[in-house]
Amino acid sequence: KAGVTQTPRYLIKTRGQQVTLSCSPISGHRSVSWYQQTPGQGLQFLFEYFSETQRNKGNFPGRFSGRQFSNSRSEMNVSTLELGDSALYLCASSSWGETYGYTFGSGTRLTVV
Amino acid sequence: AQTVTQSQPEMSVQEAETVTLSCTYDTSESDYYLFWYKQPPSRQMILVIRQEAYKQQNATENRFSVNFQKAAKSFSLKISDSQLGDAAMYFCAYRKSSGDKLTFGTGTRLAVRP
Repeated sequence: KAGVTQTPRYLIKTRGQQVTLSCSPISGHRSVSWYQQTPGQGLQFLFEYFSETQRNKGNFPGRFSGRQFSNSRSEMNVSTLELGDSALYLCASSSWGETYGYTFGSGTRLTVV
Repeated sequence: AQTVTQSQPEMSVQEAETVTLSCTYDTSESDYYLFWYKQPPSRQMILVIRQEAYKQQNATENRFSVNFQKAAKSFSLKISDSQLGDAAMYFCAYRKSSGDKLTFGTGTRLAVRP
């Protein structure tokens, strides 16, 4: 069973640009969550999607958005990048209601210069 | 709001010895889930062990076990017979209910001395 796949692994962008990150969940998983990991703020929840609908949203500005497609793949977009957006972005998938926990991908390391 | 606290930024253990990582949390919920995740240099968060709050029995997964004290809101992880591959960041996480977001602690970096 393939794991959670995130692409790209690394990304370097310039301030003011926008970026799109992709996440393919485990086959059969319909819930996808996104987390931002930084040395200063730790792991913070961005949003969660289930069956193409956003179920939960964290405290991030509107520059951070996401979507989920009918095949459960998800993308997150960050517009007007700031230096502080440099982080590891982790995607996790689960079956809705599953109590076992989320399965994470290896993340996308975004560097904003 | 729920909070998770890991008071040990770094820990070190001799190979084959036992180490305990601490975690406390704050919640007003009675039903919730607790997790320990491991993050090696490869960056992927790997689920180590989970505990349902309604279960009094402490969870165990091979060399990993927890000491869950619901009244004290404490959830420590014990690693027995430590191995070099156990070296990683360990995160304690809380989830209010199934399908809800994970709230993470700040992590404990575990070093294993050969």
